[in-house]
Amino acid sequence: KQEVTQIPAALSVPEGENLVLNCSFTDSAIYNLQWFRQDPGKGLTSLLLIQSSQREQTSGRLNASLDKSSGRSTLYIAASQPGDSATYLCAVKSNDYKLSFGAGTTVTVRA
Amino acid sequence: DTGVSQNPRHKITKRGQNVTFRCDPISEHNRLYWYRQTLGQGPEFLTYFQNEAQLEKSRLLSDRFSAERPKGSFSTLEIQRTEQGDSAMYLCASSREEGSNEKLFFGSGTQLSVL
Repeated sequence: KQEVTQIPAALSVPEGENLVLNCSFTDSAIYNLQWFRQDPGKGLTSLLLIQSSQREQTSGRLNASLDKSSGRSTLYIAASQPGDSATYLCAVKSNDYKLSFGAGTTVTVRA
Repeated sequence: DTGVSQNPRHKITKRGQNVTFRCDPISEHNRLYWYRQTLGQGPEFLTYFQNEAQLEKSRLLSDRFSAERPKGSFSTLEIQRTEQGDSAMYLCASSREEGSNEKLFFGSGTQLSVL
């Protein structure tokens, strides 16, 4: 069974600081890994998808890396803004249909 | 894409009542998923459809739960004889790709509270 862990559970930083969010998973046989953002009481918004053959993906201020052999992914958010405050979820696709999610990292960016 | 639509947004019910949720996926997305999320946790897989066929169900989906996707379009999730432990956010997602490039698009969810 795939287990996904996100550390830290919560993070508070001043505006402008770079954010580093960590995700680890136990089974390296994956299809892909996705990072999502979730605002309070809302659904999930996909941020980045990294296929198993890739090592990183970038979108604007976001960069995600994948080290499949060690079972780790890191999401970097450059020059954080108050609007980046949300919960960030890591999800691993280990078979044809199922995503296994971590519990998320709740980020607060202080103005 | 108009996005995945879920109704209702919120549902409050008494224990023992039946509830039904609806999900309208992005048009032409052949895969539709149901997930459940409790406070402070990540979503957990419940079931998924490939077109109208329900291909997999989690052991979390007890016999009180049933999901349908008639004609491969919208889907409904029904919970019979609700229990307080059913209180959660029920999320629907859809996709059109398979394999390593599959990207899921989630709706805003239905928040269920069982009193």
